[in-house]
Amino acid sequence: KQEVTQIPAALSVPEGENLVLNCSFTDSAIYNLQWFRQDPGKGLTSLLLIQSSQREQTSGRLNASLDKSSGRSTLYIAASQPGDSATYLCASYSGGGADGLTFGKGTHLIIQP
Amino acid sequence: DTAVSQTPKYLVTQMGNDKSIKCEQNLGHDTMYWYKQDSKKFLKIMFSYNNKELIINETVPNRFSPKSPDKAHLNLHINSLELGDSAVYFCASGGGNYGYTFGSGTRLTVV
Repeated sequence: KQEVTQIPAALSVPEGENLVLNCSFTDSAIYNLQWFRQDPGKGLTSLLLIQSSQREQTSGRLNASLDKSSGRSTLYIAASQPGDSATYLCASYSGGGADGLTFGKGTHLIIQP
Repeated sequence: DTAVSQTPKYLVTQMGNDKSIKCEQNLGHDTMYWYKQDSKKFLKIMFSYNNKELIINETVPNRFSPKSPDKAHLNLHINSLELGDSAVYFCASGGGNYGYTFGSGTRLTVV
């Protein structure tokens, strides 16, 4: 059964820094991996979707990489801003059935002004 | 033009009551889902449903039942609510190569 782990659980950095959030998964047989952002009391906003055949995806200051063989994905945030403060979740998709997306527990990110 | 919308946003109810949460998507996706986010913020799938198949996570009590009047709607009905049902419930649609789109969640509090 797939397990997704996110490290660190929490991170606080000064504004302007570049940072990396880590996600690892136990079963490399995934179709894709998706990064989400969740603001307090809000829903999930999709940030990036990486298919299993891709190595990375970029959107603005965000870059997500995927290494299936090692069971790892990273989310790189460049030039962090206070508005980036949120919980970041990664989730793997391994196919149909009752499993759906398997989520990590998230990284709670605080960007200090 | 919300892609996945849920109502209500907040729901406070007494133990033993029956309640429903509604979900609608305008993305044309074939499959919809219900996820539960517990007090520790961990998200776990409850159901996936398309017009052919309902798949239920085996850990979900049978007091929970999804009802889909059409492809764009998947409502969640909960019977005999218990204190432990308090959580945030998220509807989602899509999946597969298209990725998932989530609603804004319904915070259920059972008192």
